[in-house]
Amino acid sequence: LAKTTQPISMDSYEGQEVNITCSHNNIATNDYITWYQQFPSQGPRFIIQGYKTKVTNEVASLFIPADRKSSTLSLPRVSLSDTAVYYCLVGDRQTGGGNKLTFGTGTQLKVEL
Amino acid sequence: GAVVSQHPSWVICKSGTSVKIECRSLDFQATTMFWYRQFPKQSLMLMATSNEGSKATYEQGVEKDKFLINHASLTLSTLTVTSAHPEDSSFYICSAEGRRGYEQYFGPGTRLTVT
Repeated sequence: LAKTTQPISMDSYEGQEVNITCSHNNIATNDYITWYQQFPSQGPRFIIQGYKTKVTNEVASLFIPADRKSSTLSLPRVSLSDTAVYYCLVGDRQTGGGNKLTFGTGTQLKVEL
Repeated sequence: GAVVSQHPSWVICKSGTSVKIECRSLDFQATTMFWYRQFPKQSLMLMATSNEGSKATYEQGVEKDKFLINHASLTLSTLTVTSAHPEDSSFYICSAEGRRGYEQYFGPGTRLTVT
């Protein structure tokens, strides 16, 4: 499983766009990149997953450059409720199941007024 | 869809007793479930992989005789912390794999405090 490196913490203000970058220099050809969000005393919540280029859903965008050695989670117009820990995970997406996830340190995002 | 529940949400027990935590996939069947442990201000650490109808696979360093896992049906996995000690106090989270195998849905977690 590829190791990931993220900033330990980030601060932002309501209404701003937040970009959290994750490094994964040893990503393998079959690996996908997945981001989860976790609030205190809750289980992680899936945000977005991608393989290359750009993926967008109703809550975030994921930008992956051509070399796939990093990825950036973009949260548009954050609010106080986006204060949470964000985890970047890299791993093979086996349709047969048994996909173990390795969580790194995560990024603590703090959004202020 | 894809809701995972855990019961109880929090539990306090005395040192030396055993505690059972349930993980249920409410609206889908999960052949594989995972159990994680998370200490305060730390990341999630995978403890074991729970497979329906077979023995669980434990990560290195996790005592299988202390953390008993049973996955008796496609919607229920249980984690029993046996002879609990204060150092077992932690936040225990389960996840269940969705139908396509690579999607994981997490439960809300169970806070265990051993006194």
